[in-house]
Parts: sequence; C-alpha cells; structure tokens
Amino acid sequence: AQSVTQLGSHVSVSEGALVLLRCNYSSSVPPYLFWYVQYPNQGLQLLLKYTSAATLVKGINGFEAEFKKSETSFHLTKPSAHMSDAAEYFCAGARMDSSYKLIFGSGTRLLVRP
Amino acid sequence: DAMVIQNPRYQVTQFGKPVTLSCSQTLNHNVMYWYQQKSSQAPKLLFHYYDKDFNNEADTPDNFQSRRPNTSFCFLDIRSPGLGDAAMYLCATSRDRDRGYEQYFGPGTRLTVT
Repeated sequence: AQSVTQLGSHVSVSEGALVLLRCNYSSSVPPYLFWYVQYPNQGLQLLLKYTSAATLVKGINGFEAEFKKSETSFHLTKPSAHMSDAAEYFCAGARMDSSYKLIFGSGTRLLVRP
Repeated sequence: DAMVIQNPRYQVTQFGKPVTLSCSQTLNHNVMYWYQQKSSQAPKLLFHYYDKDFNNEADTPDNFQSRRPNTSFCFLDIRSPGLGDAAMYLCATSRDRDRGYEQYFGPGTRLTVT
C-alpha cells in the first residue's frame, strides 16, 4: 500500500537548535515528494519538493531535505530554528496511479521554545 | 501574483442550511481539488476536477457537491451541513503532471456550523 509516515506528531526545539522532522514513504510511492508548511488558519505552502533530480533539496526559509532511497526517507531539516518556524508540517508523496493526487502524512507540529 | 483565492475566509452557517464555498485561480491550472481538513489532521481529498472531468473520492458524502463552470472557478456546495462538517476547506490547483504533481493551495475557508 502507498503511504507516507511522519514520525512524531509534535516536535519541540529551542530557538537556534537544529530542526529535524522525519518522513518515511512506502517504496510503492514514486519519487515525487513534498514538504508543506501550514500556519494557523492558513493554507498549505510548499517548502520544497523532490522530483528525481538532486537528492539534497533546498527549499524556502532555510529548510532542506534529503531523499534517501535506501532508507525510504525524506527528512526535513533546518540548522537553526526560528520562532517563526512554529507551524504544522506535512510530508506528502504523489500517487502512482497518475491520478494527480497526493498522499499526506499525518503532520508534525513544530514548537519552538525561546 | 498568480494565486489561488478562496472566499470567504470564514463562513458561519446553520445546521441544515446550504452553503457554498468558492475558489478561483489565476494560475491557469487544469486540475483543481477540494480538501476538508479537521483540527490537527492532514487534509482529506473530497474530489478533484481534471479540466471538466469530475472525480469523486469514494468516501466523500453525498452531501458534498462541486461545480466548475470554467477553468478559473470551482465551487464546493454543502447541501445540508451537519455539525461534523465544521472544518477548514482547502482548494488547491495543479498543472497536470507538470512539476511533479505540485499542488498550490489557497488560504482556506473555515466553516463553522451552529
């Protein structure tokens, strides 16, 4: 079955600390992977995407993610957390049936402590 | 700037009173989606249009309908809202398989049912 799994519904870091949000996908998900961020009462904003090009993908706001096929992972990182990074983060993959649909992970809420 | 616009941002309706949410886009994308998102959950796809072709998700209640009169506009109609329909409703667009299924989201409409 196609699935995207985010480990940890809540992650708390101190301001200035490393941010690591974990995402694993089932091997049946094609290599179209995305990270979206959602601020309260807002829509989803694309942070970055992997589409079979470079395995290390750089996105907006200093975030990056590395596609690791051997680990079926696409973890999101940022070297130094800022208070404005506090939000909900969703990892998503594209379905294989060409239906143009995304499979979302359950989301991870990032809390940034001053 | 090209974008996805949703109106209204906040909608209050009464139990059983029909309500329509609207979405418009200036991206000229041929695929449009409607998602329902409840608190602390991932977006749940209700249906999508590929051009004029309507695609309903199997578990979308009959209470939800959609119209797409032209490329730019898409409407979500809830015929008889129940308390369980209170949620954030997100509209998104994508341009076929271009850019690896990347979806662009609007800011959402938060629906309250009283």
